[in-house]
Amino acid sequence: NAGVTQTPKFQVLKTGQSMTLQCAQDMNHEYMSWYRQDPGMGLRLIHYSVGAGITDQGEVPNGYNVSRSTTEDFPLRLLSAAPSQTSVYFCASSTGPNTGELFFGEGSRLTVL
Amino acid sequence: GDSVTQMEGPVTLSEEAFLTINCTYTATGYPSLFWYVQYPGEGLQLLLKATKADDKGSNKGFEATYRKETTSFHLEKGSVQVSDSAVYFCALRVWGAQKLVFGQGTRLTINP
Repeated sequence: NAGVTQTPKFQVLKTGQSMTLQCAQDMNHEYMSWYRQDPGMGLRLIHYSVGAGITDQGEVPNGYNVSRSTTEDFPLRLLSAAPSQTSVYFCASSTGPNTGELFFGEGSRLTVL
Repeated sequence: GDSVTQMEGPVTLSEEAFLTINCTYTATGYPSLFWYVQYPGEGLQLLLKATKADDKGSNKGFEATYRKETTSFHLEKGSVQVSDSAVYFCALRVWGAQKLVFGQGTRLTINP
């Protein structure tokens, strides 16, 4: 029962470096999303996708890119890391945008020095 | 815009105490309401939900009632256990909106 799998779990970057957070789900969910979790701020939506080939911005998209070439995978790319992107990142999926129940990965903790 | 406000944490209780975590919301449309729980080192998981006014969601001894008149969805449990120690998030989704809106989370610690 893999569910939503995120890699890596921990990453340290230097300012200006790039990296990709991987997310894969095996539930055949159409809807996938990325959130970031910061202390005292809950979870904020970065980007989301309602199906392969379709992506859109959430409330905090700046500095991040996404693509959705398959139903299973939804990678999040940081093009030029900044200390403000130090956070815990969660990938989540659901059967559709209006079902409400999101299934979350275990998170990826990113530190940008 | 849509928003969720939760009571400030952290909350520390003794085992078997009564728990209430307050949650109020503002929404531009007619929302569904959710409580998610995050255990240490894990992702969030759905605890309970309610999709219309006066609905009561319940799971694992936790309950919350959708109160449209007070725009609230308070989480309650009659007798907490050490294993309930976690961070609890209230959230809403307005029909047709592509995202869940989360509160800031409330950290709960239960002491034996």
